Amino acid sequence: SQQGEEDPQALSIQEGENATMNCSYKTSINNLQWYRQNSGRGLVHLILIRSNEREKHSGRLRVTLDTSKKSSSLLITASRAADTASYFCASDYGNNRLAFGKGNQVVVIP
Amino acid sequence: KAGVTQTPRYLIKTRGQQVTLSCSPISGHRSVSWYQQTPGQGLQFLFEYFSETQRNKGNFPGRFSGRQFSNSRSEMNVSTLELGDSALYLCASSLERSNSPLHFGNGTRLTVT
Repeated sequence: SQQGEEDPQALSIQEGENATMNCSYKTSINNLQWYRQNSGRGLVHLILIRSNEREKHSGRLRVTLDTSKKSSSLLITASRAADTASYFCASDYGNNRLAFGKGNQVVVIP
Repeated sequence: KAGVTQTPRYLIKTRGQQVTLSCSPISGHRSVSWYQQTPGQGLQFLFEYFSETQRNKGNFPGRFSGRQFSNSRSEMNVSTLELGDSALYLCASSLERSNSPLHFGNGTRLTVT
């Protein structure tokens, strides 16, 4: 799982399988966000879940938030080769900055 | 709508030099943030500007500075470059920081030799 201190995680899956990534944060948040980054490029926003929400869907993405455990998970269903990327969670503590995790590298094998 | 534009895309500098990176946000976005990304440290926050005011600053030495202009365009400057400053510098803009996602540019790859 991601948090500020952990090493990045790597995940290799077959096309069509589901991919799950976890993220933890430290204190109360306004929201938690997930981003994707393809090699050498900028981050692309995927989904934002507010602190009073528990689950959110966007296409093949499902995000959950457990404020009691200070953790979130991102599920990508029916993965495709184009989903190969690094995925980052980012905690918004309401201080005009996001705290990013170290990232999860996902490789989807066709 | 055009995305966030960062220039230049690549830079090679030598130790001791200084460098200026530029960022043009999405039209209408008044908040601009800068992040440094390295393999070892990941994404680290540099600073955030809103309406020409720096609202937050990360834990970087004073060699790193930035500014925002009245049209929301932003620049960051790194003086007296060190080898460890080699990184991907990412700029992001948003409508307003609270519960708004960031829209990132493709970054400037800085290599210090």
